[in-house]
Amino acid sequence: DGGITQSPKYLFRKEGQNVTLSCEQNLNHDAMYWYRQDPGQGLRLIYYSQIVNDFQKGDIAEGYSVSREKKESFPLTVTSAQKNPTAFYLCASTPVFGIYYEQYFGPGTRLTVT
Amino acid sequence: AQSVTQPDIHITVSEGASLELRCNYSYGATPYLFWYVQSPGQGLQLLLKYFSGDTLVQGIKGFEAEFKRSQSSFNLRKPSVHWSDAAEYFCAGGGSSNTGKLIFGQGTTLQVKP
Repeated sequence: DGGITQSPKYLFRKEGQNVTLSCEQNLNHDAMYWYRQDPGQGLRLIYYSQIVNDFQKGDIAEGYSVSREKKESFPLTVTSAQKNPTAFYLCASTPVFGIYYEQYFGPGTRLTVT
Repeated sequence: AQSVTQPDIHITVSEGASLELRCNYSYGATPYLFWYVQSPGQGLQLLLKYFSGDTLVQGIKGFEAEFKRSQSSFNLRKPSVHWSDAAEYFCAGGGSSNTGKLIFGQGTTLQVKP
């Protein structure tokens, strides 16, 4: 079955360490997105990629970085510059870039930084 | 600024009762509107979407939503709630089909009493 996988489901890190969250899709979608979810704040867009080797900052990109070297992969790195990294992170994809299309979501990664 | 607001953070209904979750949007033109559902610790699943045409939209799992331009609302309804409907519900919107950037509401948590 096609879908989006995110690993690991739970991730624990010490403050000051960079950490990379994995997102892989086998849907053959061009566009991919990273969201951050905090209680009571909905989902906020961190980065998005319209196509391979391209990505743009979303609304809260500070302290994060991404790469899109392969169509199926869009890893997110949470750097030590992110002031409050503890959150639930969701990856999503659409066939092409555009809100007309349903966003397919992965199961998420819960990151805890202490 | 474009925004999506869900006034109710938490709603409790009895199983078998009707449900209405509120969503208000702020866009200059006709918005593209969505309702997503999230089970605990999971990703989001699309329930329904509105782009144009008939203002009453049918979705999966027996849900429907009505677009009311005069009230800037896109409320989600279900005639009879099942215990399995307990989840968090997100309204999301976008102002143009040329961008893949959705704005999510804060979310409404639905609790279903037996």
